[in-house]
Formats: sequence, C-alpha cells, structure tokens
Amino acid sequence: DGGITQSPKYLFRKEGQNVTLSCEQNLNHDAMYWYRQDPGQGLRLIYYSQIVNDFQKGDIAEGYSVSREKKESFPLTVTSAQKNPTAFYLCASSTGSDPGVYEQYFGPGTRLTVT
Amino acid sequence: LAKTTQPISMDSYEGQEVNITCSHNNIATNDYITWYQQFPSQGPRFIIQGYKTKVTNEVASLFIPADRKSSTLSLPRVSLSDTAVYYCLVGAYSARQLTFGSGTQLTVLP
Repeated sequence: DGGITQSPKYLFRKEGQNVTLSCEQNLNHDAMYWYRQDPGQGLRLIYYSQIVNDFQKGDIAEGYSVSREKKESFPLTVTSAQKNPTAFYLCASSTGSDPGVYEQYFGPGTRLTVT
Repeated sequence: LAKTTQPISMDSYEGQEVNITCSHNNIATNDYITWYQQFPSQGPRFIIQGYKTKVTNEVASLFIPADRKSSTLSLPRVSLSDTAVYYCLVGAYSARQLTFGSGTQLTVLP
C-alpha cells in the first residue's frame, strides 16, 4: 500500500535532548512538509522540501532542523533550542510543489512529549 | 496572503445536510480553495478542491460564488462519523502562504 509512515507514534524525551522524528513516503511525491499542531489549534508549517537536497523554512522553523537526502525520506530533528517542543507533529507529501494546487497526503503523526 | 475565517464550531444531527462557510476576502487570482477533514490524533485528509462555481465528489460539494470571496463546503446527510475538524485553505504556489487556521469543529449528534 502506498502512503506516508511516521514513527514512532508516541515519543518521550527529557528536556535538553535532541530527538529525530521519522517520515517516509512511497508515493513518489516530490514535495514533503512538516507541521506542528498544538491542542485545539490548526497546523503550523515548520519546514518544507520541494525536491531532494533542498528545503525551506516555514513559519516556525526555529529550534528545528531537517534533511532531504532521499526522495522518500524527510526526517525532522527537534533540537534542545526549541522552547516548547511538546506537540503533535505531522508529515505530509504532495505530487507537485504547489501545495495549494496539489492534494497533501498526511501521515498518522508523532506525539512528542518533553519533560 | 489570503486569510480565512471559519466558524469555530457547528452542531448538526444525523441525516441533515451541513454547510460550512469560509470567508477569504483577499483571495488572489491564482488561489485554489481546498478543504481538509481531521479526526482527533490523525493527520488531515483531503476532501475537495475548487477554483470557481461548484465542485462535487462522492463525499461533498463545494460552492464558490463569482467573486470567490467565500466558499461553502456542503456535506449531505451527515453521520456520527463525520464529527471532525474541517479546515478551509486558500493558496496556490507557496507552502508558506498556505495556512491551516483553527478550523471548524463539526459535531454530529444522534
């Protein structure tokens, strides 16, 4: 089955530790995205990548880093510099690089809790 | 940057038609209008997309007036399983300009 996988579903970390969230897609999509969602809120864009080896900051990139070495993979690292990392993280992909035109396919999400 | 405004919440009963309106007064010429559905602790799911007039698929209809300053998502004969948050997005070519607002919490009652 084609789709997006995120792992793990739940992740717990101590403050001050970096943590990497996995996102893999087998849809052959060029564009990939990372969003953050806080309780009762909408999604906020962290980073996006329109092509391998290229990515751009979204609205809330501070304290996060990404890489796009392979078309299928777009891991997100939450660094210790992120002041409020506890949130629900969603990865998405789309066929084209115009997200308002092409449907975004979302993964199941990773719920990160930092204490 | 096209900002969208939706009602925070709506209630309906099973079997009724539900219409959720989104206001986007400063929509640009190239912008499309897209609606997503999100269940708790899941990623959003695409419902429907349109540019003008009316679009219909197997789950919903999207009505867009000529001035395109608003759009209405219509869900026919809702069921309990349609209880979710519905997001209206307006944008085209830039991921940074495509924003998910807080959405509309639709609650379907028995």
